[in-house]
Amino acid sequence: GESVGLHLPTLSVQEGDNSIINCAYSNSASDYFIWYKQESGKGPQFIIDIRSNMDKRQGQRVTVLLNKTVKHLSLQIAATQPGDSAVYFCAEMPDKLIFGTGTRLQVFP
Amino acid sequence: NAGVTQTPKFRVLKTGQSMTLLCAQDMNHEYMYWYRQDPGMGLRLIHYSVGEGTTAKGEVPDGYNVSRLKKQNFLLGLESAAPSQTSVYFCASSYTSGRPTYEQYFGPGTRLTVT
Repeated sequence: GESVGLHLPTLSVQEGDNSIINCAYSNSASDYFIWYKQESGKGPQFIIDIRSNMDKRQGQRVTVLLNKTVKHLSLQIAATQPGDSAVYFCAEMPDKLIFGTGTRLQVFP
Repeated sequence: NAGVTQTPKFRVLKTGQSMTLLCAQDMNHEYMYWYRQDPGMGLRLIHYSVGEGTTAKGEVPDGYNVSRLKKQNFLLGLESAAPSQTSVYFCASSYTSGRPTYEQYFGPGTRLTVT
């Protein structure tokens, strides 16, 4: 399988910099959110999740921020590495998972 | 522990042909899902299953059928393929938790082209 296609927004960052990937969600009833990473030729891989009763959650080198007021989610990746190059997309859950289209992250040396 | 596997990885069909995509998981998950992924669109749910012997329609079920005869396997069938079914198909599975939800483990995908 391949990642989502041709016209994705792209974020280009230099190795070692921090990356911020944004996602606007649509359903105010969504109470659970996930960030996925999809490398070329692979299936989506879970990165981190957050429930609506939280506004921040941290993982290893990643932080997810949730702003329910404006229905916005962001994924911050610290010290971005070449291996972070992939398509990242969020998913929201009102009653089932609804996936966004994604952002392509390109890391250059 | 192989996780979620899918066969085949690639397939080319002619319009009107049929085929079955196989998904297998070795994590003893109750829930299994079939998605399609098209350029410029998010993953869309075709069908899902909440346990052996059960299936349910997702967002885009037309033209597809599924079966879950064994807990570890979830089959997706195309009875009469159409060019609009050209896509990348992903299978996923997850633990049961009251509703189809939470962390889903994805297979590597099947790229299907219908000419």
